[in-house]
Amino acid sequence: DQQVKQNSPSLSVQEGRISILNCDYTNSMFDYFLWYKKYPAEGPTFLISISSIKDKNEDGRFTVFLNKSAKHLSLHIVPSQPGDSAVYFCAANHNAGGTSYGKLTFGQGTILTVHP
Amino acid sequence: NAGVMQNPRHLVRRRGQEARLRCSPMKGHSHVYWYRQLPEEGLKFMVYLQKENIIDESGMPKERFSAEFPKEGPSILRIQQVVRGDSAAYFCASSPGQIGYGYTFGSGTRLTVV
Repeated sequence: DQQVKQNSPSLSVQEGRISILNCDYTNSMFDYFLWYKKYPAEGPTFLISISSIKDKNEDGRFTVFLNKSAKHLSLHIVPSQPGDSAVYFCAANHNAGGTSYGKLTFGQGTILTVHP
Repeated sequence: NAGVMQNPRHLVRRRGQEARLRCSPMKGHSHVYWYRQLPEEGLKFMVYLQKENIIDESGMPKERFSAEFPKEGPSILRIQQVVRGDSAAYFCASSPGQIGYGYTFGSGTRLTVV
């Protein structure tokens, strides 16, 4: 039962252009969403997050958009840089009983390649 | 301030042996989470522990797998009688409290069963 899905295994973008990574979820109880970046042989690194009470959150070159009715979120990277090349995971969390609970459900990941 | 430390980075075990994976959380963090990443897949939650307590082990296989986080020392993920299907990358994350957003992952232990 894949509750968080990243349907694009890979994405290739030219340096300076926009990268858009997509993520869909099925569990309507999820109320917090995160994006992680992962290099080979390293652990995931937190990038940006968004609460379900918002539809957009921005941090520098990274913006996350949330469409609750469609159960869809996306990560925009503008402008893309070669150093952004990595695997990107979206993850979702359910705030059980009002206490934030750190169990995350991850998507399968999207390999982003940014060409110089 | 060291991050989450996992050791060993690489572990090779023969089928039937035991594997012990260690995770030292960040200083001041008392909550530990273990995840497993199989090839070509995302990370899958295994277990959530606080000091001396297992809070949620809903992602742990029913047999051969166990985890602990003692009062002193690192958290240990133990896999008994390993099989080829246990080959994966195992990641640990720690957080300072139940607010787990943006918590920190270690670099992982890559287990290979031969």
